[in-house]
This record gives sequence, structure tokens and C-alpha cells, in this order.
Amino acid sequence: LAKTTQPISMDSYEGQEVNITCSHNNIATNDYITWYQQFPSQGPRFIIQGYKTKVTNEVASLFIPADRKSSTLSLPRVSLSDTAVYYCLVGDPLDDKIIFGKGTRLHILP
Amino acid sequence: SAVISQKPSRDICQRGTSLTIQCQVDSQVTMMFWYRQQPGQSLTLIATANQGSEATYESGFVIDKFPISRPNLTFSTLTVSNMSPEDSSIYLCSVTTGRHSTDTQYFGPGTRLTVL
Repeated sequence: LAKTTQPISMDSYEGQEVNITCSHNNIATNDYITWYQQFPSQGPRFIIQGYKTKVTNEVASLFIPADRKSSTLSLPRVSLSDTAVYYCLVGDPLDDKIIFGKGTRLHILP
Repeated sequence: SAVISQKPSRDICQRGTSLTIQCQVDSQVTMMFWYRQQPGQSLTLIATANQGSEATYESGFVIDKFPISRPNLTFSTLTVSNMSPEDSSIYLCSVTTGRHSTDTQYFGPGTRLTVL
């Protein structure tokens, strides 16, 4: 399973766009990139998943360069309620598990 | 999607006792997982609960300490046996309705365990 590296923490302000980058230098051909969000005292929640290029949903965008050795989660116009821990995961669908890294603690300021 | 409930939501237990945590899903799911999360830390996978067969444990976790049952497609239990203060943690159940672990996992609210 590919290992991921993310910033430990980030601060931003309400209304800003936030980009969280995850490094996964040894990503394998079959690996997908998935991001989860976890609020305090709750279980993680799926945000977005991608394999290459760009994926967008109603919550976020995921940018993946051609070499796939990194990915960037983009949260448009954040609010205080976006304060959470964001986990980047890389895994092969044929594997029987996913592994959570250390995550990025995002703190949104008013 | 899937809605997951866990019981109990929290408990305070004495050293040497055991606690069974229940995970109930509102619909049939394919895969069920149990995680542990220390306060302020990331999630660590304990095991995959397999219906009708023994759970698949991750390195560092053994069946005698964390027996798991999954009698059907909507229910699983995790028992924390012979507890010590080091077992104090949040225990989370997750499920997927897909065929792969990388499919969306839905998490329960967790069980906060304190061992004195």
C-alpha cells in the first residue's frame, strides 16, 4: 500500500479557497486516491475519489497530475464548519483494506 | 449510502474486564471493518469482519484480544477483552456496499472507551 505524506496542519480564513496537497511518490498503477473528512467526535466521511486528472463534486475538487505522485484537494470558499481533519488515502481496489495516514488538521478562522 | 449505529456510545470500564461493542447497519453491506483511534491520532485498522467466517486481523491485533463476530450482512460485534488502560480509545465500525475496500466507506459515530 502506497504511503502518503500530508501537512500536519493548515490555517485559513472563511471565504478562501483551501488546497491541501498529498504526496504519494510510490503510487502503483492500480491505486486510486481517496479523501476523507473527519469532524471532532465523528467518524470519517468520504469526500472525493479520483484516479487521474481532475474530479469535481458538490463538495470539493481533486487535482491529480500526470505522474500521479501527488494530489491536491481543493475546498472552495471554506466556512468555519470546514474545520476538520482531512485524510488522503491511496489504495488498490483489489486490496482488502485501506490505510489512513496522519491527516491534515485544517482550522478555519473567522 | 448506509446509516450505522454503534452501542454503547461510550463506556468506562475496569481493568481486566471485557466490553462488547455492537455495530448495526440499516441495510445489507458487503464489507465491515473495525478501527481504533487514539485521541488526536489517525485511524488504525483492527480487522475486517467476515460474514460466516473468522475475521481478518491486522498486524498487532489478535483474535483472543479482539474477538469479532459478523453473523449477517447488517451486524457485527467487537469485543475488547481483558482490558487495560492502554485500550482506552475510540472504536469505529465502518462498512461499504461496494465490492472493494476503496469504495466509499461509511463510518459509525464511534464508541469512546475509557479503561481505569
